[in-house]
Amino acid sequence: EVQLLESGGGLVQPGGSLRLSCAASGFTFSSYVMSWVRQAPGKGLEWVSAISGSGYRTYYADSVKGRFTVSRDNSKNTLYLQMNNLRAEDTATYYCAKDPYYGGEMPTMGDYWGQGTLVTVSS
Amino acid sequence: NFMLTQPQSVSESPGKTVTISCTRSSGSIARNYVQWYQQRPGSSPTTVIYEDNQRPSGVPDRFSGSIDSSSNSASLKISGLKTEDEADYYCQSYDSSNQVFGGGTKLTVL
Repeated sequence: EVQLLESGGGLVQPGGSLRLSCAASGFTFSSYVMSWVRQAPGKGLEWVSAISGSGYRTYYADSVKGRFTVSRDNSKNTLYLQMNNLRAEDTATYYCAKDPYYGGEMPTMGDYWGQGTLVTVSS
Repeated sequence: NFMLTQPQSVSESPGKTVTISCTRSSGSIARNYVQWYQQRPGSSPTTVIYEDNQRPSGVPDRFSGSIDSSSNSASLKISGLKTEDEADYYCQSYDSSNQVFGGGTKLTVL
């Protein structure tokens, strides 16, 4: 059974940093693109970032480029999102999602999603 | 980059059929697959349609998806509406370097 478990959310001041983690199980983690998708309170879904199975290719939404860094540790089956210079508009629940295509290199869709972790940026 | 536009809300009675549209702003709707996600309050999104018209196992055949190149849009049709179908629905597609979500449609079944 595929499971994705996010952690690392919390309250942080504007300009601060936070690292999110997503622990994966139930599939060959290193063979799938993984994405981060966020949802501001009461708002819609917004794709944030993605990383290829090998970790060599990374992708970012314009809204976070230069501030967020996606990475993965395939030996630990864990996906990360390092968030720096956080802004109030980054306040959201952050979901990790698995791409369905074995060996894919670019983000396409999410077939499994985690339960999300809430990040609140406020002074 | 392109955008996906959905109606903000739709409502229909139990047992009826509702269709939610998703229009792509630029580039052909057929260029990349369209997915539809259901999100109930307080829950993570789940896939109800993938690759334009495919249903994951466990999703009832009351849910169907299609694309229409003439209107450059995708549609999610839910027939035989049940109160449990009340949720937010998001269409989603992608291009070579990112995913794009529609703004979401709140379905009310009353």
